[in-house]
Formats: sequence, C-alpha cells, structure tokens
Amino acid sequence: NAGVTQTPKFRILKIGQSMTLQCTQDMNHNYMYWYRQDPGMGLKLIYYSVGAGITDKGEVPNGYNVSRSTTEDFPLRLELAAPSQTSVYFCASSYRTGTGLDMNTEAFFGQGTRLTVV
Amino acid sequence: AQSVSQHNHHVILSEAASLELGCNYSYGGTVNLFWYVQYPGQHLQLLLKYFSGDPLVKGIKGFEAEFIKSKFSFNLRKPSVQWSDTAEYFCAVNARGFKTIFGAGTRLFVKA
Repeated sequence: NAGVTQTPKFRILKIGQSMTLQCTQDMNHNYMYWYRQDPGMGLKLIYYSVGAGITDKGEVPNGYNVSRSTTEDFPLRLELAAPSQTSVYFCASSYRTGTGLDMNTEAFFGQGTRLTVV
Repeated sequence: AQSVSQHNHHVILSEAASLELGCNYSYGGTVNLFWYVQYPGQHLQLLLKYFSGDPLVKGIKGFEAEFIKSKFSFNLRKPSVQWSDTAEYFCAVNARGFKTIFGAGTRLFVKA
C-alpha cells in the first residue's frame, strides 16, 4: 500500500527557475493538502483541495499554484523560485466521513520534498 | 480564525522521566484534535486523535492525551519516555472542516 507518494525527495533550484512537486495518493481520499515546514514554525498550509477540480488557498499561497485534475494527483507548482521558498514540503491526504457533518479523519503524509533555492 | 499554540519549543528529558507537552487551541466550536510525531528524517505520523466521547484518548507507544474543553487544551502525556521517543511533536486542530491547522511543534530530546 503506497499511501501518499511525493517526488522528488530533494531538489536545488536557482532563483527564478520553476518546478513542479508531484504528489499522488492511492487511497481514494477526497481531500489533499500541501504544507511547508520551516524550523520552529510548524506546518503552514499552502493550498488544499476538497476534490477533483476544486482547490483553495491556505495560509501561505503566494508564489505557488496547484491543480487537481484527478482524485489521485495534486501537483504544486513554483513559477519563479525565490530563496524564501527554501523549505521542506509535505503533501497529505484525508477523507471525509459521512453522517452529514464535515468531519475529517487524520491526514496521511508523504515523505516530503526538501527544496533549496539558491 | 483557528490557531494552535504549543508552549514548549524544546524539551530535554532523561529516560524514564514523565512527559507532558502542552497544546491550546482557539476555536469556539466543535473540533477534532490530533497529535502527530515526526522522527528525525521522516514524515509526520499520527500519534493519537480525539473526535468525541471519552476525553482521555490513548495512542500508540504509550502516549495519551486529555481534551479539556473548558481550557481549550489537548495536552500530550507519557509516564516514562524512552530514547526512541526523541522526535518532534505537533498538535493539530480541525474545526470539523477540511483545513487542519498545526502548532509550531515541540522538539523532544531524550537522554539515554
């Protein structure tokens, strides 16, 4: 059972370059998320998606874009890399339970992508 | 807006010492609460969760947490820590919606 898979694991970018962080999950979860983790700052939500074709901004969306064309995939795009985007990026997914409440289960995380912008 | 506060950023304990990590959240409605653990070089894993019912929840590896609604708190405890508990611990809150907000994390170092 693969769970949430992120690629690449490591990447070094030059300022102004662009790249896409890939994320795929095989659990048929409807919710997917991108977080960045900076030392002492915890995890900050960049973007999230509640289902295919639906995305929304999180706490720190500037400089990033996402798309959700399928349930499985949720890529994160950096268009013009900046040193402030040096971070560890985590993709996660979760599913919503029934009974009419917007109840949510725990998130399942990928292994992370360590990105350095120089 | 939701927020989560973890009071201790770094904690150093000796093996067999007791552990309590504080977590407070700000949100007036019904919440789901989580503790995640991140071992060095690894991704986050769920330690325990609270949705409803008994406010004292037990998780993996001997950890437990108590939800005190009147104090907006969800503190994590373990009676006797081991060297292998060295990790970073994150408290998280989900206000029965789809955004889960994390605290800044507490780095625990257990001396052998």
